[in-house]
Amino acid sequence: ETGVTQSPTHLIKTRGQQVTLRCSSQSGHNTVSWYQQALGQGPQFIFQYYREEENGRGNFPPRFSGLQFPNYSSELNVNALELDDSALYLCASSLLLDSTYGYTFGSGTRLTVV
Amino acid sequence: GESVGLHLPTLSVQEGDNSIINCAYSNSASDYFIWYKQESGKGPQFIIDIRSNMDKRQGQRVTVLLNKTVKHLSLQIAATQPGDSAVYFCAERKLDTGRRALTFGSGTRLQVQP
Repeated sequence: ETGVTQSPTHLIKTRGQQVTLRCSSQSGHNTVSWYQQALGQGPQFIFQYYREEENGRGNFPPRFSGLQFPNYSSELNVNALELDDSALYLCASSLLLDSTYGYTFGSGTRLTVV
Repeated sequence: GESVGLHLPTLSVQEGDNSIINCAYSNSASDYFIWYKQESGKGPQFIIDIRSNMDKRQGQRVTVLLNKTVKHLSLQIAATQPGDSAVYFCAERKLDTGRRALTFGSGTRLQVQP
């Protein structure tokens, strides 16, 4: 069984640009969440997708958007990048919306905005 | 890889000793708690979880204790090994409307001295 895979692993962008990060969920998982982890902090919830629809959102502006595809893979898009968007972006998948089996995290994409 | 948690509280223990990592959570409505381990350059790795209707749960070398009266969670690691060196996060889940997000604590760095 494969785990959660994210791409790319590292990325450097210029302020004002747009970026797309990708995530392949663990096999059989239909729920995916995205988190932002700034250096020295715990991950912060961005949003969650269940069966291709956004199911919940954290305190992030609309320029953070996402998609979930029929195969349950997912994308995180960030427009008009700001320096403070520099962080590790983590994708997590789970079997069910209210899973109590824990959430499987990928290794993340390290985004640097210059 | 990237260093996670450069300025986190640090717990330093000798190899073979028991470790206790503490966490205070914020919401008495949280129904589910998880401990994660995060090594440098990797995403959070599930260690153990506990539901709010339990006080204690044991895994292999790890025990989680939940004290709902004071909203406190602890992770006990028996016979700590060098491979246990990492940043540890507690996370809580609140089943509020429309969100099943995890809220992470600020993390504790565990350093195991040989």
